Amino acid sequence: DQQVKQNSPSLSVQEGRISILNCDYTNSMFDYFLWYKKYPAEGPTFLISISSIKDKNEDGRFTVFLNKSAKHLSLHIVPSQPGDSAVYFCAASSGNQFYFGTGTSLTVIP
Amino acid sequence: DAEITQSPRHKITETGRQVTLACHQTWNHNNMFWYRQDLGHGLRLIHYSYGVHDTNKGEVSDGYSVSRSNTEDLPLTLESAASSQTSVYFCASSTGNEQFFGPGTRLTVL
Repeated sequence: DQQVKQNSPSLSVQEGRISILNCDYTNSMFDYFLWYKKYPAEGPTFLISISSIKDKNEDGRFTVFLNKSAKHLSLHIVPSQPGDSAVYFCAASSGNQFYFGTGTSLTVIP
Repeated sequence: DAEITQSPRHKITETGRQVTLACHQTWNHNNMFWYRQDLGHGLRLIHYSYGVHDTNKGEVSDGYSVSRSNTEDLPLTLESAASSQTSVYFCASSTGNEQFFGPGTRLTVL
């Protein structure tokens, strides 16, 4: 059973606009959430994270929002750039184990 | 710079053969993980280790084994390769809240 879900397999956004990627989870024991970015033929790279004690974390153009009551997190990218085109994985952890979503492929159109 | 490497990057083998994929990290991380990435499934955990001589089964461990004889290496062995094991395999290491991924090994089983 998939504990972390990304229901949108793909997303297209115009350059300069906001990209919003969504993720839902089922396990209330998760206490740390992460977003990874993956380019073709490369391994995933860490992008941004948030602890369950926070509801927002910002790093430059990237902001992650956490809604614990809804078991939902989202990644906002503003403004979107063509170099942001990649697959984005959301992940949740409890202790030392990580659970990944199926990924959302983001295309930023110049 | 510390890093995590995987070899080979590409491998073609035949059904029934034994295959070993190498993973080597120089961060001195205790925790190491093997995932497979398949379309529609995201990253699924195969095996993981929290230290030397420690190994644990993940979500999709059938047909795979690992051993941890030192901190730096966690080789993944497919005892008798099957076509269903055609996939991209990623190794990762972590200290806790963040995982660092290798570049991946694309394995094709004919």
